[in-house]
Amino acid sequence: GAGVSQSPRYKVAKRGQDVALRCDPISGHVSLFWYQQALGQGPEFLTYFQNEAQLDKSGLPSDRFFAERPEGSVSTLKIQRTQQEDSAVYLCASSLGGGGAHGYTFGSGTRLTVV
Amino acid sequence: GNSVTQMEGPVTLSEEAFLTINCTYTATGYPSLFWYVQYPGEGLQLLLKATKADDKGSNKGFEATYRKETTSFHLEKGSVQVSDSAVYFCALRMDSNYQLIWGAGTKLIIKP
Repeated sequence: GAGVSQSPRYKVAKRGQDVALRCDPISGHVSLFWYQQALGQGPEFLTYFQNEAQLDKSGLPSDRFFAERPEGSVSTLKIQRTQQEDSAVYLCASSLGGGGAHGYTFGSGTRLTVV
Repeated sequence: GNSVTQMEGPVTLSEEAFLTINCTYTATGYPSLFWYVQYPGEGLQLLLKATKADDKGSNKGFEATYRKETTSFHLEKGSVQVSDSAVYFCALRMDSNYQLIWGAGTKLIIKP
């Protein structure tokens, strides 16, 4: 597609519910990143994929967070047993080359609200 | 560790005013520096970047100069428009790492 597409745009989850957030990167982009953006803050790195390989998951805040990119294109960020502190905008970005050196294109994000 | 500090917002200006949004960084080494803009309801968009000291990034009338001596990358525009209203983020990336490290963002409000 022309840009990075994320769905859903908005998600309201009850505490304890599992959620899955989807990212469709630009076709052919090797690198894919997930960031978490709390209200009034800058984004914080969560995880990085190069093709289907998850090269870095050091930013995932707990073992309730899991990301995958099984075929090297679409990625899913899953949060199990959601907590209120998980409420944030989840941003996906993709980049043509490895490591983001060619610049990043961001999606519009998924705003998750845990009630 | 590496970090970015931006001036707090919101910054409220009248149309055609001069804009400065301050950004300073702390880094072990020589990062690339970026300004991103987030318009309401949209994703983050790269506004401009600079990859080495004394480089000037520019786009859409905005400019920022990479100042190694003051570890700064202040964003400037000579005459702002209502359409510039958005949240502006300063960020850095080390050549040895793919992660972007972000400031907290500065909301800019331009009044007609």
